[in-house]
Amino acid sequence: ETGVTQTPRHLVMGMTNKKSLKCEQHLGHNAMYWYKQSAKKPLELMFVYNFKEQTENNSVPSRFSPECPNSSHLFLHLHTLQPEDSALYLCASSQDKPPPAGFTDTQYFGPGTRLTVL
Amino acid sequence: AQSVTQLDSQVPVFEEAPVELRCNYSSSVSVYLFWYVQYPNQGLQLLLKYLSGSTLVKGINGFEAEFNKSQTSFHLRKPSVHISDTAEYFCAVGGSNYKLTFGKGTLLTVNP
Repeated sequence: ETGVTQTPRHLVMGMTNKKSLKCEQHLGHNAMYWYKQSAKKPLELMFVYNFKEQTENNSVPSRFSPECPNSSHLFLHLHTLQPEDSALYLCASSQDKPPPAGFTDTQYFGPGTRLTVL
Repeated sequence: AQSVTQLDSQVPVFEEAPVELRCNYSSSVSVYLFWYVQYPNQGLQLLLKYLSGSTLVKGINGFEAEFNKSQTSFHLRKPSVHISDTAEYFCAVGGSNYKLTFGKGTLLTVNP
């Protein structure tokens, strides 16, 4: 496997289910991201992990719970979701520059998980 | 704070015609600018980026963009498009805060 992989590619779940999305990067990067892509909206950054530490939680509801056990793997645990949470969830990784530069260079994206909440 | 405005939500063109997709940004810090492309049922792929240096940036698939600081723009151009260029294009701005801010995207449709 190369690049950034995501599983599953499609997921249908009820509002009372618990499921997890998985992301794996094979690029040796030190930062990983979860984005939500809804129709007619800009990509919404949800979470950022830099060196396995969560550095950003963009006011995401607690029904979304991220986990980053190491720099290559990122999970998004889902529980009691709402229909409006249906979207494409994209994972990305990058090789972030440490301070004082501290900026994000190119982010490499996975193919996404298409989530439908019934 | 950073923001990105993509002025056109949809751009239809005929095959072999030139195209320009417009992007304006605002940022209070040094900017790093990106164009990504998303083909149907796929993730985003980097087309090109501006970090510093020459303001004319060349990317993959024959695309190029010009960074214009005075007009705060980073428009994407291609002199002759193909059917296979049909996709959604996203402009993004990054700064010294480990985050990228994306525009809403422009759907480019190339017709035969």
